[in-house]
Amino acid sequence: NAGVTQTPKFRVLKTGQSMTLLCAQDMNHEYMYWYRQDPGMGLRLIHYSVGEGTTAKGEVPDGYNVSRLKKQNFLLGLESAAPSQTSVYFCASSYSDRGTEAFFGQGTRLTVV
Amino acid sequence: KNEVEQSPQNLTAQEGEFITINCSYSVGISALHWLQQHPGGGIVSLFMLSSGKKKHGRLIATINIQEKHSSLHITASHPRDSAVYICAVRNRQGAQKLVFGQGTRLTINP
Repeated sequence: NAGVTQTPKFRVLKTGQSMTLLCAQDMNHEYMYWYRQDPGMGLRLIHYSVGEGTTAKGEVPDGYNVSRLKKQNFLLGLESAAPSQTSVYFCASSYSDRGTEAFFGQGTRLTVV
Repeated sequence: KNEVEQSPQNLTAQEGEFITINCSYSVGISALHWLQQHPGGGIVSLFMLSSGKKKHGRLIATINIQEKHSSLHITASHPRDSAVYICAVRNRQGAQKLVFGQGTRLTINP
């Protein structure tokens, strides 16, 4: 049982480049989330999805776009990377939004130079 | 002021000691989560609780809803318990979102 899988695990980008982070879950979860983790700060929500075909903005959505074309996949895109987007990105999923456990991926360490 | 505050931010102890990590929050919640993150690793859910107490092995989590406070205890601590422990709450109002504390970095020396 793979759980939540993120790809890639590491990436270095030049300023202005674009990339897509993929999150895949095999637990038939409705809710999926993208967070970023920065030193000295708690995880912050970028975007989330409450089901296939739906997305919503979180706490820090600027500079990111997302898509949920299939229930099992949640993609996070950076159209024009900036050094401020250097961070560790975590994807998470849960069956519903209330009283259910959240499952996290292993994280993607992104460096923008 | 953050909605979720953890203390201490850093904790170093000797193997075998009893460990307590505290989490205070300021909003009404539907659930509180304790998570573990090893250096360079992913995040693992330890507990989800909305009342009372839960135990799993050497780990115990308690919550006092009236006082808006939760504690994570580790008995007979071991160097492999060294990790960052994160408290997160699911706000009763914005239930889709988890709000995270800054984490407590625990180091257990042999």
